[in-house]
Order: sequence, then C-alpha cells, then structure tokens
Amino acid sequence: AQKITQTQPGMFVQEKEAVTLDCTYDTSDPSYGLFWYKQPSSGEMIFLIYQGSYDQQNATEGRYSLNFQKARKSANLVISASQLGDSAMYFCAMRDWQAGTALIFGKGTTLSVSS
Amino acid sequence: DTGVSQNPRHKITKRGQNVTFRCDPISEHNRLYWYRQTLGQGPEFLTYFQNEAQLEKSRLLSDRFSAERPKGSFSTLEIQRTEQGDSAMYLCASSAGLAGGTGELFFGEGSRLTVL
Repeated sequence: AQKITQTQPGMFVQEKEAVTLDCTYDTSDPSYGLFWYKQPSSGEMIFLIYQGSYDQQNATEGRYSLNFQKARKSANLVISASQLGDSAMYFCAMRDWQAGTALIFGKGTTLSVSS
Repeated sequence: DTGVSQNPRHKITKRGQNVTFRCDPISEHNRLYWYRQTLGQGPEFLTYFQNEAQLEKSRLLSDRFSAERPKGSFSTLEIQRTEQGDSAMYLCASSAGLAGGTGELFFGEGSRLTVL
C-alpha cells in the first residue's frame, strides 16, 4: 500500500501569496516522523521541516509550517509569502519504525511561483 | 564540512557495462542511504548502512546492484551489466540518527546515470 500520497502534481501561486501542498500518509505505527523536502532544478534535496507523531504543536520553520492533522493522517506544508525562489519540486516523506529507518517519499508536487 | 559529496555527477555508459558511484557522507554521520530517483518521481529507497553494516535492502536492489561501506566512511554503489531501465539519478544521503535531533537525511547532489 502506498504510504505517502501527494495528489497535486503541480501548483501555481503568485509571489507573496500563501500556498498549501497536500500530503496524506498511511501507517499503523504510532511512532513516526513526517518530513518535507524541497528539490530545486539543481537536483539537491533540501530538508525543510519535520513533525513527529507525538508532537503536540504544528511544526514551523520560518515561512514554512506543517498543518498536522493526525486523525486525518495528513501533513500539509504551508508556505507563506511565496518567493520566486520557492519554485521547485516538493516532497513529503515519512519514517515509521515498522518499515525501518529510511524515509519513504511521495511522488512530489511541482510548485511554480510567478511575479 | 562541505556536506554529502557524490562522484561522478554524470555517467553515460553503454548497456551491459558496469558502473560505480561513490558517496562521501558528512564526516560525523554514521548512517548512509542510497536512493534512486527517476524523472518526475520521488526518491526510492535502495539500501541503508549503519557504520559499515548494511542493515536494510530494498526489493528494488536486484542482484546486479551491490553497495559497500568498507570502513564506515565513504560508500560505493556498483551496478553490473547495466540496463536502460537503470537510467536514473542515484542519490546518497547521510544522517546522524536520532541523536542528532529529527534524524533528517542530508542529501548529496546525486549521480545521474544514462544507459544507452
């Protein structure tokens, strides 16, 4: 069964607007971690934000925040005040200890920011 | 430290040839991962090392693939008898494990393989 689902192949947003990238996950392990990575055209994967399954508050890192809804098994990434440099591929990933220590990635969402 | 380093960055080979990729992780990281990424897809896990021990292998890792991390530092990924379906970006990542915080993976820039 697919563990990470990103249903938006592409998203478009104008500069300075906020955008939400969707991610749903599937696990039966009560202990897991959720990650978001950015991959610009240069190819390098850049870690953005992390949410642990037991964390009480939604994670935030600068302009990035994670809207964690445990009951719905969703972990959406919110980017506030979009910038042109945010144009990239975004991947949601999960680590659950039943599957091991590796991160399992979704198929990604391409974000395009226009001026 | 300059991060995770991968070599070569690009490799073009003919079908049937062997290729080897090298990954130098962040020096204090004891965990090392190999992933494969095809165009428009997310990275797919191949294998994982903790120090020199190969602890996890994906079913994607066919018999033609072998990975080593002989001294618990750098790692190599060899593909024997390459096939056109092996064309992909091969990503290496390292991690300090949970002792380092969230256990996030730090990725290299990847090695792009094209099999003709």
